[in-house]
Amino acid sequence: QVQLVESGGGVVQPGRSLRLSCAASGFTFSSYGIHWVRQGPGKGLEWVAVIWYDGSNKDYADSVKGRFTISRDNSKNTLYLQMSSLRTEDTAVYYCARDRCSSTSCYDFDYWGQGTVVTVSS
Amino acid sequence: SYELTQPPSVSVSPGQTASITCSGDRLGDKYASWYQQRPGQSPVLVIYQDTKRPSGIPERFSGSNSGNTATLTLSGTQAMDEADYYCQAWDSSVVFGGGTKLTVL
Repeated sequence: QVQLVESGGGVVQPGRSLRLSCAASGFTFSSYGIHWVRQGPGKGLEWVAVIWYDGSNKDYADSVKGRFTISRDNSKNTLYLQMSSLRTEDTAVYYCARDRCSSTSCYDFDYWGQGTVVTVSS
Repeated sequence: SYELTQPPSVSVSPGQTASITCSGDRLGDKYASWYQQRPGQSPVLVIYQDTKRPSGIPERFSGSNSGNTATLTLSGTQAMDEADYYCQAWDSSVVFGGGTKLTVL
């Protein structure tokens, strides 16, 4: 069965960096785009970034552009999110989510991980 | 930037029909998706491409999208349907609505 498992969350000071990982299993990882979506405490869902199945295309929300970098290692079935210059408003649960379509992006999400918590605080 | 607007809350009695709306400029020209999120859990896709249900989603979930409004309809609502529901679309970027808390009274 499809599984996405996030890790790497924690407490970090403003201005510092953190790298999240998302380990995938149960499907052909190299055929699907993967997204990061976050949810602040008591708030709604906010899309963060996407990377296409082959890494050829990446896109970011304006709120993280220039600070966050999405990448993937298809040989390890793993997705990453490098977060730099973190702000208190980046505090959230970060989910990785699989794009519903293979070999392209439909920009909707059929499987989600359980999330990893990032807290940015001094 | 593109925005999707949902009512903060909707209430329904068990066995009745609940409708949750999502409004956006010319939303009917785009595909709308809907996600269910129960407390403490990850979101689950319940409707995609306006009207389609993923495998495993009960038939009581249905969707429509026309003009400026997409609608998620739950027929014969059950207590287990109590959750937050989010609409989502793509307009040069992924956009989520603010979410609607469905209460089954």
